[in-house]
Amino acid sequence: GQQLNQSPQSMFIQEGEDVSMNCTSSSIFNTWLWYKQDPGEGPVLLIALYKAGELTSNGRLTAQFGITRKDSFLNISASIPSDVGIYFCAGQSGGATNKLIFGTGTLLAVQP
Amino acid sequence: DTEVTQTPKHLVMGMTNKKSLKCEQHMGHRAMYWYKQKAKKPPELMFVYSYEKLSINESVPSRFSPECPNSSLLNLHLHALQPEDSALYLCASSQDFSGETQYFGPGTRLLVL
Repeated sequence: GQQLNQSPQSMFIQEGEDVSMNCTSSSIFNTWLWYKQDPGEGPVLLIALYKAGELTSNGRLTAQFGITRKDSFLNISASIPSDVGIYFCAGQSGGATNKLIFGTGTLLAVQP
Repeated sequence: DTEVTQTPKHLVMGMTNKKSLKCEQHMGHRAMYWYKQKAKKPPELMFVYSYEKLSINESVPSRFSPECPNSSLLNLHLHALQPEDSALYLCASSQDFSGETQYFGPGTRLLVL
């Protein structure tokens, strides 16, 4: 099925560093979502974005809905060990086929 | 409360077994979803139920049979599975199927021997 381009594929950082990851699409989306998934668990919603240009924060997380509606980024500031996991972006077009289109995922490893 | 629950958490079954996965939500959501996820890959949509009716089947083999007994429950019946069906099966729900945010359950880790 269709997937979004998500980068980087993986990141290995030191505790306290800032992290940035992004997703791009050839299609326009009405909603961008960012999920985090721990091993063996389901994805947990971090941030939902509903409007082009929207910038939303959730604690140390900040995400933006690109103005073209074809991209989004997620920043994590001052990373901590529990930030470890796989981060997925997902886009929704809305309408009759309102499926989630997922990014390929970013594996984040944080060294204490 | 944004909780979706799934049982069992782990399941091991033989290729001739029949088993069922269960999903429950009490958020009043009217859309529910089954996804399959392989290791290090994003979830892949299998089925969507909207207002208790099957609205999307992503060409899933008939050995997977979904059921939505009521607006809070979603089942996935499994029969004659293959080893390649081993995966994490995720349930999700949303307010409805028109752009609302999907919330995922913790998943059932399935191993087919």
